[in-house]
Amino acid sequence: SQQGEEDPQALSIQEGENATMNCSYKTSINNLQWYRQNSGRGLVHLILIRSNEREKHSGRLRVTLDTSKKSSSLLITASRAADTASYFCQGDMRFGAGTRLTVKP
Amino acid sequence: SQTIHQWPATLVQPVGSPLSLECTVEGTSNPNLYWYRQAAGRGLQLLFYSVGIGQISSEVPQNLSASRPQDRQFILSSKKLLLSDSGFYLCAWARGSGNTIYFGEGSWLTVV
Repeated sequence: SQQGEEDPQALSIQEGENATMNCSYKTSINNLQWYRQNSGRGLVHLILIRSNEREKHSGRLRVTLDTSKKSSSLLITASRAADTASYFCQGDMRFGAGTRLTVKP
Repeated sequence: SQTIHQWPATLVQPVGSPLSLECTVEGTSNPNLYWYRQAAGRGLQLLFYSVGIGQISSEVPQNLSASRPQDRQFILSSKKLLLSDSGFYLCAWARGSGNTIYFGEGSWLTVV
């Protein structure tokens, strides 16, 4: 079974706009993490948020976590064409289908 | 620093042929090791994971198998490939459950 389920499946925005992706998970977690995957490459870790944290920032990334709803969101502010990739959340060792983000120049 | 290598990067194999994908991790000891498969444009499917030498857990019953002959070596195998085995295979490691997972660059397998 999948641990993370990302929403939306695909998102297309203009450069400079913000992109928000959501993730729901099924079981209890200690940490929730977000990853990025460029086409045809391995996943790269972006940010980790612990179960006792509600919000975390890293550069243009902002992650929130609501353990009562078993959900998380990833916000990318001031998006750039280079942000075009797929984004995945991970609670244990399982991943969802990801959100494919396209940022148009 | 830790690194992960997997090979080969691309592979074209006929139906019914065997498969061996290898993965090694350097710079750490007793890592958790994982094999994932990703169909084109899809999410990651966990195939196998291992928490120690000789300890393999299978997530999905299929004609693939995994082995961990050494602490930092993880091998994905098949005796007879199916067309449906085509995909992008990713090896990964982590320092225990719930920690950040680090991925290799992947292996593209096309079964023809």
